[in-house]
This record gives sequence, structure tokens and C-alpha cells, in this order.
Amino acid sequence: GAGVSQSPSNKVTEKGKDVELRCDPISGHTALYWYRQSLGQGLEFLIYFQGNSAPDKSGLPSDRFSAERTGGSVSTLTIQRTQQEDSAVYLCASSPTTGSAGELFFGEGSRLTVL
Amino acid sequence: SQQGEEDPQALSIQEGENATMNCSYKTSINNLQWYRQNSGRGLVHLILIRSNEREKHSGRLRVTLDTSKKSSSLLITASRAADTASYFCAARVLGGTDKLIFGTGTRLQVFP
Repeated sequence: GAGVSQSPSNKVTEKGKDVELRCDPISGHTALYWYRQSLGQGLEFLIYFQGNSAPDKSGLPSDRFSAERTGGSVSTLTIQRTQQEDSAVYLCASSPTTGSAGELFFGEGSRLTVL
Repeated sequence: SQQGEEDPQALSIQEGENATMNCSYKTSINNLQWYRQNSGRGLVHLILIRSNEREKHSGRLRVTLDTSKKSSSLLITASRAADTASYFCAARVLGGTDKLIFGTGTRLQVFP
């Protein structure tokens, strides 16, 4: 695709339910990031997939959060037993390189609302 | 907090004026990047400055970097109403996984 695609764009769920958010990066991009942005706030780093290396999961806020990247392309962020404080926009970004020079290309985000 | 700090948090100016935003970070870096976010949308990369560079220009943008003070600034000259957006700095952490850590952002409002 032409850009990073995220789905769903909006998700409303009830507290305690599990949610899955999907990210399709730009074709050929080896690096993929997930960030979380609460209303009016900065971006909170969650996880970084860097090619074939082990992902950097140091930003995941709890064990309810997990992410995988299948075949080096599509990624899914899963939040189990959602809480109200999980409400935020979840942003995915990809980069053509896992090296330090790469700029990030962002999707439009998935807005999650936990009631 | 893993985030850098930006100031001011919000800035309002008139068209034609210059806008300066500052960013401080906590770790050693490989490079520092600036991004723009229009309301409710994804971020767009603006400019990257490497740790061995002190100043960089791109159109109406000027970025400076002071690694001794762990700080950077973004100057937008001759601002336009279309520059209204939030601006974020992002530090490429040196070592480890080279992850990119974002600051808290500056909301810029340019009045016509």
C-alpha cells in the first residue's frame, strides 16, 4: 500500500473485553513501532520490531499488552481485559531501516475507547 | 518518564511571526527528529539532525542541537496559518535497540 494502514480506526469496547488492533506497514519496511497517545499528550513508546531481531518490549505498560509481527509484515497489538485507562489513540509507524537513520512513517491511528 | 520535555506546551502567534519550540531529552542520542501532527491524525516527519551536527535547515525550518545540554530547538520562520499543528521532537536513543522516544509536544496556533 501507499502508506501505513491501521484498523479499526475507532473501537469502543466494554471494560474487561479483549481488543486487537492491526497495523499494515509500508511494503518492505523492516522496522515497526507501536505508540500510545492519550488525549492532548505526547507519544508513549510501547514496542519496537526491528527486522529479525528480538522486539524491544520495554514500553509495554503491563502483561495485558502484547504484540506480534507475522512474516515481518503485519502487526497486531492485543490488549487483554481492557481497563478505562487503556483509552487512547494507538499509533503504528514503520521505517525502511532498522538502523538509526530511519525516519518513521505513521498510520492514522486506532482510537480505543473503553467504557 | 521515558519522554523528553518540550516547551512551551502551547504557543500562539500571528502569521508572519517566527515560532520557536524547544526540546530536552535525557539520554545519549544518535539523532534527533522533529515531527508534525495535525489534530487527530498521524505524525509526519519534518527534519532529522544527527548528533554530530549543530544546525540544519529545510525550507522555513531551522533545527539546532546542543548535545552537551541535551537540547534541541525548532524554528519556523514566517509562519502561516497552515503551520497550526502539534510539533514533537523524537530522540533516537544511542545503544540498545536504537528506539525512538518522543517528547511531550508543543501545540502551535498561528492566527491569520
